[in-house]
Amino acid sequence: ETGVTQTPRHLVMGMTNKKSLKCEQHLGHNAMYWYKQSAKKPLELMFVYSLEERVENNSVPSRFSPECPNSSHLFLHLHTLQPEDSALYLCASSQHVTDSYEQYFGPGTRLTVT
Amino acid sequence: GDSVTQMEGPVTLSEEAFLTINCTYTATGYPSLFWYVQYPGEGLQLLLKATKADDKGSNKGFEATYRKETTSFHLEKGSVQVSDSAVYFCALSDPRNKLVFGAGTILRVKS
Repeated sequence: ETGVTQTPRHLVMGMTNKKSLKCEQHLGHNAMYWYKQSAKKPLELMFVYSLEERVENNSVPSRFSPECPNSSHLFLHLHTLQPEDSALYLCASSQHVTDSYEQYFGPGTRLTVT
Repeated sequence: GDSVTQMEGPVTLSEEAFLTINCTYTATGYPSLFWYVQYPGEGLQLLLKATKADDKGSNKGFEATYRKETTSFHLEKGSVQVSDSAVYFCALSDPRNKLVFGAGTILRVKS
């Protein structure tokens, strides 16, 4: 399944670095999402975009900065991260931001902050 | 707020055994319910879903029935295979399609 792709798949960065995660969906969907999956914690929704407009920001620290230039691409810009930000970051998309539209997930970016 | 509780793992079974992974939810209104599966090193894949009470979702031999009276959505499979080893997540979506996930249950199937 290559409907939602994420790059890079693995990333190691220092706390003073700036990096970006990229997500691209090839499904013609209008909504995109960022999730954080930490060890031994439920998946946490971070951001939701609908038609390139941010519709939800779940109290995420400002060191995470999302960008959605068009409905097919979603970025997560990272700067001055902390070791506890190490996690698997998952991107997802759905047809619309309404109930019953299933979300399709990418393979994730495994981020390690040293 | 909305929440999902699923049984803690890991669950270890022998091949061809019967599988049940319990999932209960708390929500306002009538959410859609989902089971997602995550294989090692991969993202989440939708396994099955149900959008209203008494609906049964099914896929690849897995089934789950939306039980409003018990607020449950238990996952079952009659005969598991080694290839079913993965992490299984129960989730609900609110009307804004915000997914709320359970903590996940690791399933290990031995040959």
